[in-house]
This record gives sequence, C-alpha cells and structure tokens, in this order.
Amino acid sequence: GENVEQHPSTLSVQEGDSAVIKCTYSDSASNYFPWYKQELGKGPQLIIDIRSNVGEKKDQRIAVTLNKTAKHFSLHITETQPEDSAVYFCAATYNNNDMRFGAGTRLTVKP
Amino acid sequence: NAGVMQNPRHLVRRRGQEARLRCSPMKGHSHVYWYRQLPEEGLKFMVYLQKENIIDESGMPKERFSAEFPKEGPSILRIQQVVRGDSAAYFCASSPRRSETEAFFGQGTRLTVV
Repeated sequence: GENVEQHPSTLSVQEGDSAVIKCTYSDSASNYFPWYKQELGKGPQLIIDIRSNVGEKKDQRIAVTLNKTAKHFSLHITETQPEDSAVYFCAATYNNNDMRFGAGTRLTVKP
Repeated sequence: NAGVMQNPRHLVRRRGQEARLRCSPMKGHSHVYWYRQLPEEGLKFMVYLQKENIIDESGMPKERFSAEFPKEGPSILRIQQVVRGDSAAYFCASSPRRSETEAFFGQGTRLTVV
C-alpha cells in the first residue's frame, strides 16, 4: 500500500512570506496527488492537485511541484495571508483510487 | 449540485450502543471513502466503497465496524458496541470514478462516546 510522509507538522510564517510543505510517498505507481485545506470544525477542501504526467502546476498564490523520480511533491503558498491559516494535508492515490493522506501541517500566518 | 452530505453532524452515544453515520455522495458520484480523524491528528483511511461493493477495507477495525453503500440510498458506516476510543470525527468523501480524480469531502460527523 501507499505510505505518505508530510513535513513539517507545524509551520509559522509572517504575513506576506512564503510557506512550503513537503510530502514523500512510497508507491511508485501513485499517479494523482491532491492537497487539501482543513479549517477548524470543517471537512477538508481540495485546493490544488497534480497528476503524474505534470511536474508543476500553479493556481494564483498556490503552486505544487512533483518529482516522480524522488517520489516527493510540495505545496508552495506565496504572499501568505492570515486566512491561509489552517491544516494542510497532502495525499497520494494509486491505481484503484485509494487515497492515503499525510499527517497534516498546521500553518499559522501571523499578521 | 449539493456537496457531500453527512449526517448527523454530531452524535453522542453511550458505551455499548450502536452508532450509524450516513453519507450521501455528490450527484453522479459512485465512489465513497470513509476516514477517521482524531483531535489534532491526520485522516486515517478506513474503507473505500463503490455502489454495492467494498473495494478496500484495509483500514477498518476487524470487529464492531462495518460499512455499506447500497444501490439506493446513502453509504452507512456502522459502529457496534461503541467504546470511548471510537470518539472521533468521521469524514466521508466521494468521487465520480476511479483513478486520478478529485474526491470531495463532507463536513464530517463528530462522534462522542460517553
């Protein structure tokens, strides 16, 4: 099965700075890598995803990079704002669409 | 198009009772996943179902837990004879098909066992 490691577990940045969260996965057959944001008391919300045939994807202030050889992928948030504060989860799926999550990163953006 | 609907949002059960958690996937979605989340922890996979079939239940405890996704109606996660350690938030997600596709989460059911 798939094993997803996520680092760091907590991250504190100043408003306007960048934040980077990194994940590694174990199953080389994994082909889809979504990122979710979870606010307090709510369900996770998909914020960006990347498929295995792409190395990088960007959506406004959020970008994700994928290195299939090294089996790691990263979330980059630029120009952070207080409303970016939340818990972020990476995930990896493999052939039968099972999705396994990292342990989460609690991001705090200080105004 | 309503999102993934879970009910109840909060559920309190006494030790030994049964808990039934419901999940209605998004319209057109035939794949459902259940996850458990303990406070301050990540999402632990429990089970993956397609209509009338259990695809992967490798994350389900061997006893007391069961899940179904009938042809008609919501997916049900059932916990028999609940214990304090079952207290957690249970989330379901749905997707329209297998492989390389987005999964959307419900708001979760927070189970408290007293």
